[in-house]
Amino acid sequence: GQQVMQIPQYQHVQEGEDFTTYCNSSTTLSNIQWYKQRPGGHPVFLIQLVKSGEVKKQKRLTFQFGEAKKNSSLHITATQTTDVGTYFCGGSDPPGSYQLTFGKGTKLSVIP
Amino acid sequence: SQTIHQWPATLVQPVGSPLSLECTVEGTSNPNLYWYRQAAGRGLQLLFYSVGIGQISSEVPQNLSASRPQDRQFILSSKKLLLSDSGFYLCAGQDRQTQYFGPGTRLLVL
Repeated sequence: GQQVMQIPQYQHVQEGEDFTTYCNSSTTLSNIQWYKQRPGGHPVFLIQLVKSGEVKKQKRLTFQFGEAKKNSSLHITATQTTDVGTYFCGGSDPPGSYQLTFGKGTKLSVIP
Repeated sequence: SQTIHQWPATLVQPVGSPLSLECTVEGTSNPNLYWYRQAAGRGLQLLFYSVGIGQISSEVPQNLSASRPQDRQFILSSKKLLLSDSGFYLCAGQDRQTQYFGPGTRLLVL
């Protein structure tokens, strides 16, 4: 079955440093979604990428979908303490699938 | 988009007791609905999903069951809880291809 691997599992950064998490799928995805879960909270949808090579930005966050639609990344520029949380990617395959296969997430800690 | 309601927020139950967690959805009609479990510090494990009333698919064999008696209601149940059932239970609804999560229920089985 489809597997989605996410690295790193944990990341500690100094406030102001950049952060990147990577997501790799064992199969080609129809789309990939990113979620953020704050400590003690629930996952909240951030963005969806659909097209091969797509890049989307949300303020300091940059999301990329690989050309082969098997990998994705989330990059945060100049981290802030409000960025703390766990970032999950979720991939959907085949198109219209009922299910998202989630990675295990990357837990980001920001040291002030 | 959708709004997902879950209750209770926290639950402490003895081993062997029954469980009923309820999830209701506002927004899109006939949504796909999901139950996930998240162990402490771990990822999201899909337990059940439903594409309509009375239609339940189970992803992993377990001590739990799910039911969908109404379009916007999804229930997670157990007849006898095990210690290993402890975790953070999340209900989600799908709107187009995006999943919207409820606030979750933290279950501690003692």
